[in-house]
Amino acid sequence: GAVVSQHPSWVICKSGTSVKIECRSLDFQATTMFWYRQFPKQSLMLMATSNEGSKATYEQGVEKDKFLINHASLTLSTLTVTSAHPEDSSFYICSLKGLAGIDEQFFGPGTRLTVL
Amino acid sequence: AQSVSQHNHHVILSEAASLELGCNYSYGGTVNLFWYVQYPGQHLQLLLKYFSGDPLVKGIKGFEAEFIKSKFSFNLRKPSVQWSDTAEYFCAVNARAAGNKLTFGGGTRVLVKP
Repeated sequence: GAVVSQHPSWVICKSGTSVKIECRSLDFQATTMFWYRQFPKQSLMLMATSNEGSKATYEQGVEKDKFLINHASLTLSTLTVTSAHPEDSSFYICSLKGLAGIDEQFFGPGTRLTVL
Repeated sequence: AQSVSQHNHHVILSEAASLELGCNYSYGGTVNLFWYVQYPGQHLQLLLKYFSGDPLVKGIKGFEAEFIKSKFSFNLRKPSVQWSDTAEYFCAVNARAAGNKLTFGGGTRVLVKP
C-alpha cells in the first residue's frame, strides 16, 4: 500500500491565526487526495476531495474559504485552516486514492490541531 | 445519501472471546465495503475490504467479514481476540457512482481485557 505522511503531527495555535497542514504521498503519485476531520470520540467526516491541478471539491457544510486546499503536485496536498477558532480544534486526516481502478484509500497519521 | 451504522459504540471482552461488530449501510447501488482499525495513537489501517466475489472476506490479523447484500450488512468477526486487538474499528462504504467517497460509520471502541 501507499505510504502517507502528514506534517505537523500536532499543532497548537492562538485563535485568529492560520495553520497549514501538509499531506505527502511518499511512494507514488496521487492524483486524488482526501481530507477528513475527526472530532474526539467520533468518526471521520469527509471535508473535501483534492485533485491535482484543479480546485478542491468540498462537502456540504464545509466552508471553502475557511479550509483552503491546495494540491499543487502529485505528492503534496495542503490544508490551511484560516483564522482558526477553538471550534476548529480537531484531528485532521488526509488520505489518498490508490492506483487507478483500485477503490482503496490509504490514510496519513493525522494532525491534531488545538486552537487556544 | 449513503449512511453507515455501527450498532455498538463500545465493546468490552476478555482475551480468547469471540468478537462480532455489526455494520449496516443504506445504499442501494454497487458498493465497496471496508473495515479499518485505529490502534491507540496510530493511523487508520485497512483490515479488509469487499469489492466483489466471495461475500466472506478474510483480512489481516485473523479478522473476517461477511457481506450480506439482502441485509445491507458487512459484519466483522474474529473467533478469538487478543489484548492487542484493543482499538477502534470503523466500517466504511463507498459507491462508485458517488465518486469514490468513503462514508464512515461511527466507530466501535473495543477493549480486550488481558
